[in-house]
This record gives sequence, structure tokens and C-alpha cells, in this order.
Amino acid sequence: QSALTQPPSASGSPGQSVTISCTGTSSDVGGYNYVSWYQQHPGKAPKLVIYEVSKRPSGVPDRFSGSKSGNTASLTVSGLQAEDEADYYCSSYAGSNKYVVFGGGTKLTVL
Amino acid sequence: EVQLVESGGGLVQPGGSLRLSCAASGFTFSSYWMHWVRQAPGTGLVWVSRINSDGSSATYADSVKGRFTISRDNAKNTLYLQMNSLRAEDTAVYYCARSMTTVTVYYWGQGTLVTVSS
Repeated sequence: QSALTQPPSASGSPGQSVTISCTGTSSDVGGYNYVSWYQQHPGKAPKLVIYEVSKRPSGVPDRFSGSKSGNTASLTVSGLQAEDEADYYCSSYAGSNKYVVFGGGTKLTVL
Repeated sequence: EVQLVESGGGLVQPGGSLRLSCAASGFTFSSYWMHWVRQAPGTGLVWVSRINSDGSSATYADSVKGRFTISRDNAKNTLYLQMNSLRAEDTAVYYCARSMTTVTVYYWGQGTLVTVSS
């Protein structure tokens, strides 16, 4: 059982927007602004798409955005494209003992 | 270009040991914290361990504490994970990853598969 809770699946049509949630506790998501989101295509390594709640690494399209409210973080993918179909994982800093915790992942399907 | 290349995975019997290596290039290895993250077949990502830039401090997930040891050789630009007392539930692809600063896992290697089975 993962420390952070994500919906197992999400979907949207090309051009639409989809939002994936990530729920933790005050000891992780709610306690720190160190929420990250990763995109993973089948058989590939994860790729960072959002860090520190809402920042985008260089090269990540601005169609990807992140936010946080209380113990829940969200990733929004706007203007869905076929290549966005992948698994998405959230993670959060959880203090000096647990350090980093991940969500169970959400499979995003572009219809 | 940042490159992280893992090696050392393979088939090992329960109770056995394995040492993973991660060769880093394309950045100043000694300046960054490093992590190991694993992914069992068909499941999600699980953080395993991290080490600070000079190797003086490390943290482990509870599931591997006392069995795994992370280390680094900054002269060789290489990260290691010594895995002892391996269990079936340690079967996974193990990813080496570089931090953005300290907390955020940024760049990932392609992973090496560890299978623990008799």
C-alpha cells in the first residue's frame, strides 16, 4: 500500500484537460512544498514533469501544471496529446526519516 | 547530457547478496545527492535510499534498513547499493537517480532488474 493515494486511472480526449489527485497527510504533502510528479511510459524510466508543487523542469511543456491544497496535490495536463498517455506518479518529501514517499500511480489514457 | 547507467542486477537466491553500481556522467557527480528507487513488476515506484554529496549521510526505507547499504565513490563517479539478506519481495527494477537539489529526484537511469528466487 502506497503512502500517497492516487486514482488508478484517468482519461480524456485529445485537446481536453485532465487532473490527477494525490492525497497524503500533514506529515508529507501537507507539511512540505516538495511535491513532485513523474511521467513513465511503458518500459521506460520515469521523467520529472513537476517539482516543488508547481515548477516545471526545463523542456517540459507548459501544458503540465501542478498545485496543492492542504494534504492533496494535483497535476493538470491541458490540451491532451497522444504522447501524454502514460503512468503518472506523485511523490513528496516526508521528513528526515521516511524521506520520500510515492503514490501508487495513475494510468492516464488519451481516448 | 546527464547519464546514469546501472549494472549488477541479476538472479539471486533468497538470503543472497548483490551489489548494484551506477556510473554517472555529464555532471559534477560530487555535487549532488543520489538516490535508489525500485519498482516491482507491474507496480509503482518505491524510494529505497539516498546519500548526500560527500557520502557522509544516508537514509533508508524501513523495508531495507539493516540489509541494504548505499555508498558512493566520487573519484570514480559511481554510486553503489549493497544488498544483503535478499528476499523475494526485493524483486524489482532498481533505478539510480540524481537529485535536483537534495529532496527532488530529477534524472533517472534506465534501471537494472534484480530477481530474488530459488
